[in-house]
Amino acid sequence: DVKVTQSSRYLVKRTGEKVFLECVQDMDHENMFWYRQDPGLGLRLIYFSYDVKMKEKGDIPEGYSVSREKKERFSLILESASTNQTSMYLCASGWGYEQYFGPGTRLTVT
Amino acid sequence: GQQLNQSPQSMFIQEGEDVSMNCTSSSIFNTWLWYKQDPGEGPVLLIALYKAGELTSNGRLTAQFGITRKDSFLNISASIPSDVGIYFCAGQESGGSNYKLTFGKGTLLTVNP
Repeated sequence: DVKVTQSSRYLVKRTGEKVFLECVQDMDHENMFWYRQDPGLGLRLIYFSYDVKMKEKGDIPEGYSVSREKKERFSLILESASTNQTSMYLCASGWGYEQYFGPGTRLTVT
Repeated sequence: GQQLNQSPQSMFIQEGEDVSMNCTSSSIFNTWLWYKQDPGEGPVLLIALYKAGELTSNGRLTAQFGITRKDSFLNISASIPSDVGIYFCAGQESGGSNYKLTFGKGTLLTVNP
């Protein structure tokens, strides 16, 4: 079975803090993705990576950056957290067009 | 970007009933995927479709890749309470970015025991 893990299930941070969300996959997948999920807006792609040290902006990259130093690990960074970044963050990994999701991190910025 | 229209938005059914939901787009898709998401969890991949007209089953679930390549359907037979959740369609648009998926807004399924 594919296993994608995320570092935290729930996280509460203050406005202006730097926030790191970690994602690890154990299936040697080339592709990894970060999404946020909000009621009424569905899943929106923030960034994706198709190889180590390679990244591409998704639909809503503003306010976020990513890092992929090792194939199995993809990190999402909120440089200065804001309240409008309160959301469910989902990491996915995959090959071809199939994507497998982690359990999600519910981030609250106060 | 391209939007996927998923319908219905929600369904409330009795245990044992069959369920149908669909996803449509205005452009051609090369791949269709169906996911299920339980509350507070990440989506789980149910079925992947790669060819127009393809019909694929996974237990009580059956999905089809529409022959126009602009739609896909998911059917659940003999529903049970654990089928409750949000079902998402997703697709890879022809000519779109490699590996990038477009998602529908989801169908919320409630099953009354």
